[in-house]
Order: sequence, then structure tokens, then C-alpha cells
Amino acid sequence: AQSVAQPEDQVNVAEGNPLTVKCTYSVSGNPYLFWYVQYPNRGLQFLLKYITGDNLVKGSYGFEAEFNKSQTSFHLKKPSALVSDSALYFCAVRERMNRDDKIIFGKGTRLHILP
Amino acid sequence: EAGVAQSPRYKIIEKRQSVAFWCNPISGHATLYWYQQILGQGPKLLIQFQNNGVVDDSQLPKDRFSAERLKGVDSTLKIQPAKLEDSAVYLCASSLDARLAGFGRLYNEQFFGPGTRLTVL
Repeated sequence: AQSVAQPEDQVNVAEGNPLTVKCTYSVSGNPYLFWYVQYPNRGLQFLLKYITGDNLVKGSYGFEAEFNKSQTSFHLKKPSALVSDSALYFCAVRERMNRDDKIIFGKGTRLHILP
Repeated sequence: EAGVAQSPRYKIIEKRQSVAFWCNPISGHATLYWYQQILGQGPKLLIQFQNNGVVDDSQLPKDRFSAERLKGVDSTLKIQPAKLEDSAVYLCASSLDARLAGFGRLYNEQFFGPGTRLTVL
């Protein structure tokens, strides 16, 4: 069975500093990996995905994530945090062999960017 | 392009009452999903439709939850009767036809609506 773990409930980063939000996954085959962001009172917004190819994936709002197969990780990163990045971030995984588009979400990590 | 629409945005009911949520997916999206997001947890898939047929409802509590997508476009999710533990945000998402191509095809991104926040007292 596929699963995804976000080990940190909350991450605090000072504005202008680099940020990392951690995600590890478990699938029996090769994964599709995703990051979504949720702002207050709004639905989830897609940030980026890893399907195949380069391990470093670039997404919206200056975010990027690095797929590490040996560590089964897909950490979200940004070189310089903005206060507006404060939100709830979800990592998600889908096994590539699946014949449907069902994805499994992590429990989320709340990111606080301190001015 | 219009996004996924949901209504109502907020609903407060007492336990044992009934409630219904409505979702209008992005035009042309054949696949529709209902998720339940309990506070402090990630979204959990309740049911997935492909046009007007159910693809996966393995995590839908069928004794009290029901969903339909009669014409393959709009969908409604109903809870009858509601319990305290049903308090959550109910998210609707849609994507292009999940059946297109076959093994190895690219994933069809899911687009989410703003959600309906349900409080059961």
C-alpha cells in the first residue's frame, strides 16, 4: 500500500531564509509525487509534481522539490522565504502502476514565515 | 477558465440531521472526486466518479454517506444522519479523463474547489 509521511507538523522560518518542508513516501513501485498548498478558506492548489526525468522539479511561486529515490524523499524547498508563503503544505503520492488517479495525501505541514 | 465550484461554503447542523453538498467541476473534466479533510489531517478520498459511474468508493461510509453524479457533470454528496465526527472540510476535485491512454501515461492533475466546512453540533 502506498503512504506518505510529513514528519513535521509545523515549520518556522524567518523571511528571506531558505525553507525546507520534508516528505517521505512508500510505494511498491515507482512513484508519482506531488506538493499542494492550502491557504486559509481556500482549496488545495497544485504546486509541482515529479513524474519522471530530472530529480529536481521546479514549480509555482519559486518552489522546487528534489526526488531522492534512495531515501524515498521528496522535500519541498525554496531559496528565500516570503511571508506570503505561510500556509499548509501537503505532500501526496501515487504509485505509477495504478490505473486510476487516486493519490494519497500526507497530514500536512504548517509553514510559518516570520517577518 | 472557471475553477471547481462548491456550495455551500459553510454549514452548521445538529447531529442526526441531514446535509447535502454540491460540486460543479471544471468543464470537460470527466473525473470527479470527493475528499474529507478532518482538522489536522490530509484529505481522504471518499469517492471517485468517472463520468456518472463510480470508480472507487471504498472509503465512503455507505451507511450514512451517499453521492451521485447523475448526468456526469455536477455532483452531490449527502450525509444522513450526521454524526459529530463528520465535522470536516469536504473538498471536491476534478481532472481530465483518468482512463485516457494507459500504463505509463502522465498523471492528470486534480483541481480542487474551495471546500465546504461542515460543523456538526
